[in-house]
Amino acid sequence: GEDVEQSLFLSVREGDSSVINCTYTDSSSTYLYWYKQEPGAGLQLLTYIFSNMDMKQDQRLTVLLNKKDKHLSLRIADTQTGDSAIYFCAEKVAGTASKLTFGTGTRLQVTL
Amino acid sequence: EPEVTQTPSHQVTQMGQEVILRCVPISNHLYFYWYRQILGQKVEFLVSFYNNEISEKSEIFDDQFSVERPDGSNFTLKIRSTKLEDSAMYFCASCFGLAGSASTDTQYFGPGTRLTVL
Repeated sequence: GEDVEQSLFLSVREGDSSVINCTYTDSSSTYLYWYKQEPGAGLQLLTYIFSNMDMKQDQRLTVLLNKKDKHLSLRIADTQTGDSAIYFCAEKVAGTASKLTFGTGTRLQVTL
Repeated sequence: EPEVTQTPSHQVTQMGQEVILRCVPISNHLYFYWYRQILGQKVEFLVSFYNNEISEKSEIFDDQFSVERPDGSNFTLKIRSTKLEDSAMYFCASCFGLAGSASTDTQYFGPGTRLTVL
């Protein structure tokens, strides 16, 4: 079955880069997603990567995928206080519009 | 930009009561989902719905739960005889779903309904 794991907490200084890591188990994952959850709010889609890609860049966000090791990372360049939130990775296995399996979430704290 | 909406934002109920959580998915989307997040835990899949029937459900989604699309815009989750352990944030999501591409398969989430069972 699917299982997705993340480290629970990351603290960085404003202006530094943040790297949030995720591991997953299902080799049939087709898409992998990053969602952001601010306190008391819903899940905001940040970016996604198709499983046959190694890297995707979207402004300050860089997603790296190592399919062999089933490892996904999200790098946020020039981290700002507004980036403080919980970041969830999620995998979607093959099949149209199939469910997402979420990781435990990583709480990112940005300090001045 | 179109978005998924949910009402109410917070629902407080007594144990044993029935609750209905409401969602309005994005208008041209065809697949609808409910997820829940117990405080401090992972977001868990409950059920997916397509073409007026359940397409997949998790083991959490037992006979206590039901979903319905009563009209062309709303998608509801009914919880019968609520238990203390049903207290959680419930998220609705939708996606277009056809064509099987990343953009059409991407799920967009609503802001959630916080359910508190006393």
